[in-house]
Amino acid sequence: NAGVTQTPKFQVLKTGQSMTLQCAQDMNHEYMSWYRQDPGMGLRLIHYSVGAGITDQGEVPNGYNVSRSTTEDFPLRLLSAAPSQTSVYFCASSEGRPGNEKLFFGSGTQLSVL
Amino acid sequence: QKEVEQDPGPLSVPEGAIVSLNCTYSNSAFQYFMWYRQYSRKGPELLMYTYSSGNKEDGRFTAQVDKSSKYISLFIRDSQPSDSATYLCAMKDSSASKIIFGSGTRLSIRP
Repeated sequence: NAGVTQTPKFQVLKTGQSMTLQCAQDMNHEYMSWYRQDPGMGLRLIHYSVGAGITDQGEVPNGYNVSRSTTEDFPLRLLSAAPSQTSVYFCASSEGRPGNEKLFFGSGTQLSVL
Repeated sequence: QKEVEQDPGPLSVPEGAIVSLNCTYSNSAFQYFMWYRQYSRKGPELLMYTYSSGNKEDGRFTAQVDKSSKYISLFIRDSQPSDSATYLCAMKDSSASKIIFGSGTRLSIRP
């Protein structure tokens, strides 16, 4: 039982480069989300999705794009990486039904932008 | 002003002590309240979940919600070194889909 799988675990980018962080879940969860975690800032919501074809912005969406073409996958795209995007990124999923909001997290991607 | 405020700590207590972790919030629409535990270099894991005012107990852990004061707490009894982690509160309202987290409190239990 894989749960939520994130790749890669570590990534170093140069300013201006683009890349995609991958996230896949095998629990048939409708709700998926991306958070970034910075020291002293906790987890901040970037984008989320309540089902295939539906996405919405969270607290800090600028500089990131998402799409949800299947229930299983929810990739996060950095269009033009900036040093301010250096962070640990977590993907999370849940059933998304009222009373069943338990989030299952991936193991994270540590991203450094030079 | 952030929607959810949490003292980042760090908090260091001796083994066996009672630990109190707290969050305040400003959005009165929040209906669901959660506590997550995060060990170093790992993703957070759900520890407690409640959707009403009052107390909810699970083993050594008690979650308390006071909606009138917009204040939630997590109590850990008989704390153990294995409880050393970062604890994050999280909240959601019934109409929105997004879950908002506090900044997390780093807790260390000294043997």
